[in-house]
Amino acid sequence: DAGITQSPRHKVTETGTPVTLRCHQTENHRYMYWYRQDPGHGLRLIHYSYGVKDTDKGEVSDGYSVSRSKTEDFLLTLESATSSQTSVYFCAISEEEYNEQFFGPGTRLTVL
Amino acid sequence: GQSLEQPSEVTAVEGAIVQINCTYQTSGFYGLSWYQQHDGGAPTFLSYNALDGLEETGRFSSFLSRSDSYGYLLLQELQMKDSASYFCAVRGSGGYQKVTFGTGTKLQVIP
Repeated sequence: DAGITQSPRHKVTETGTPVTLRCHQTENHRYMYWYRQDPGHGLRLIHYSYGVKDTDKGEVSDGYSVSRSKTEDFLLTLESATSSQTSVYFCAISEEEYNEQFFGPGTRLTVL
Repeated sequence: GQSLEQPSEVTAVEGAIVQINCTYQTSGFYGLSWYQQHDGGAPTFLSYNALDGLEETGRFSSFLSRSDSYGYLLLQELQMKDSASYFCAVRGSGGYQKVTFGTGTKLQVIP
């Protein structure tokens, strides 16, 4: 199994508070992704990174920011959480030359 | 943009064969992938098709027809542990590394 961890695994927070989710990999893969998964929507890409300090937006990036200062860490920040951001968040990694994404265990976020 | 359609639910009998279809619309196309996700778990990669035809990996096969913008996942000799959600995902417009997932097909295998 690819070495991907996410922290925290579960979080409950209140509307308006900032939240940061962390994804850590030990595979030295170049590409890292943040997805959210909601019933009826499948997995939707929030942001992705193609190298240190190189990031780009996905299809549902509003309200989210990311940072990647080291190859192994990719942070997702909700500057001011809203109830619509209640979801399960998955981090994924991939090597450029492969077509397979490896997913982390997920973080269940509840915004009250 | 990109969109994919797949059935929301499928039920099949243990030991049988089931086919899960996926049609897609994309302005550019690099390939179609399939992922499996058990309840409460993370998605795991099953297969990838960049060219037309059938790819076989054990009990699972995946087919692609680029001219029809269509693919399917074929699961043979179904086992109870195959009960899961299956997602097709297209790598298309927006860059090689951007992947769009379908909404998933929940497969229930019954005895």
